[in-house]
Amino acid sequence: GDSVTQMEGPVTLSEEAFLTINCTYTATGYPSLFWYVQYPGEGLQLLLKATKADDKGSNKGFEATYRKETTSFHLEKGSVQVSDSAVYFCALTSGNTPLVFGKGTRLSVIA
Amino acid sequence: DTGVSQNPRHKITKRGQNVTFRCDPISEHNRLYWYRQTLGQGPEFLTYFQNEAQLEKSRLLSDRFSAERPKGSFSTLEIQRTEQGDSAMYLCASSLGTSKETQYFGPGTRLLVL
Repeated sequence: GDSVTQMEGPVTLSEEAFLTINCTYTATGYPSLFWYVQYPGEGLQLLLKATKADDKGSNKGFEATYRKETTSFHLEKGSVQVSDSAVYFCALTSGNTPLVFGKGTRLSVIA
Repeated sequence: DTGVSQNPRHKITKRGQNVTFRCDPISEHNRLYWYRQTLGQGPEFLTYFQNEAQLEKSRLLSDRFSAERPKGSFSTLEIQRTEQGDSAMYLCASSLGTSKETQYFGPGTRLLVL
């Protein structure tokens, strides 16, 4: 079945550092790919998405490119802020299937 | 658009009791999903509805769990005879129902079974 693997955390960065969180997937067909963010005690918020190969999703300075050849959707941000501290989840859906999530990567940004 | 809402936000119960959670999706969304999230893990699918029809149930959904969406609007998730292993965050999401569409999540209901 479909699956998502993302780098384990926690990741601790200083403010203004560059962020990469790796995500790779296995799926039948051509899934849509998502990054969700979860702040402490809250539900998941959609951060960005991409629906086909070579699409780049972007939002709030975060970017991720749908790479079909490497089955990857790595999340990047050029300069993180303390307010970016959260848990980030990579996820996919194939057709009308429920979302399949990775285990999440906790990011802590220190001033 | 008020987003997806869930009630209650927190629930503490004793083992063996029944609990019921409610989810109100975004008004024009006809798909509604339930997920469960345990500490340090990503959400895991439980079940989903297309309008009032329950179309799929995960193997995680034991016979103590039941979900309904009687009029195709709000949904309830009931857990009977709760066990300590049921302690988790229960997340609801909704979507328009087209292929590969974005799911929007509510704030979740955190259940603690003592």
